Amino acid sequence: QKEVEQDPGPLSVPEGAIVSLNCTYSNSAFQYFMWYRQYSRKGPELLMYTYSSGNKEDGRFTAQVDKSSKYISLFIRDSQPSDSATYLCAMRAAAGNKLTFGGGTRVLVKP
Amino acid sequence: GAGVSQTPSNKVTEKGKYVELRCDPISGHTALYWYRQSLGQGPEFLIYFQGTGAADDSGLPNDRFFAVRPEGSVSTLKIQRTERGDSAVYLCASSPRGGEQFFGPGTRLTVL
Repeated sequence: QKEVEQDPGPLSVPEGAIVSLNCTYSNSAFQYFMWYRQYSRKGPELLMYTYSSGNKEDGRFTAQVDKSSKYISLFIRDSQPSDSATYLCAMRAAAGNKLTFGGGTRVLVKP
Repeated sequence: GAGVSQTPSNKVTEKGKYVELRCDPISGHTALYWYRQSLGQGPEFLIYFQGTGAADDSGLPNDRFFAVRPEGSVSTLKIQRTERGDSAVYLCASSPRGGEQFFGPGTRLTVL
């Protein structure tokens, strides 16, 4: 079983809907949690960076971390067709630097 | 401001050949990382440099893979005796020490 699990999708939503993404993990040492967006044939682009449990909001994006459940979420409000991409969760331990990624969820926002 | 750049963007080679992939990190970033992303998967860690030295190379799959960063800036990932299973996108990232990692566009390697 992988350390970080993420539903591959695709997740298809109409424009303007809320996109809800999540990852589960098994390594309790993970302390830093990230969400990246990746367009086809491009590198991952950092969207959100959070430390430990709690919520963080940035514009249309909200990241939530529940360390007790080993579960993280990303919500995208007022979704746009330009949000269509693969979303990757990533995490790392406090002592280390390497990121462990989920497999990515493909999101399609239909006009 | 310039981001992380990687060259070449695409590389096609034959099984058994040697390849070098280059990464130019963001200026001033002391940490540099290499990841490999297979089709439909998330990136997998290969190696991490802090300055000129490899601080963690636990992700290198075998001794055909080697990376250097001789002056603490540009890094080269070297793959000897390439195999078809090495085909993937090789991503480079850089960060300030312990900070957020910013990725380059990747090099798409195809081994025929």
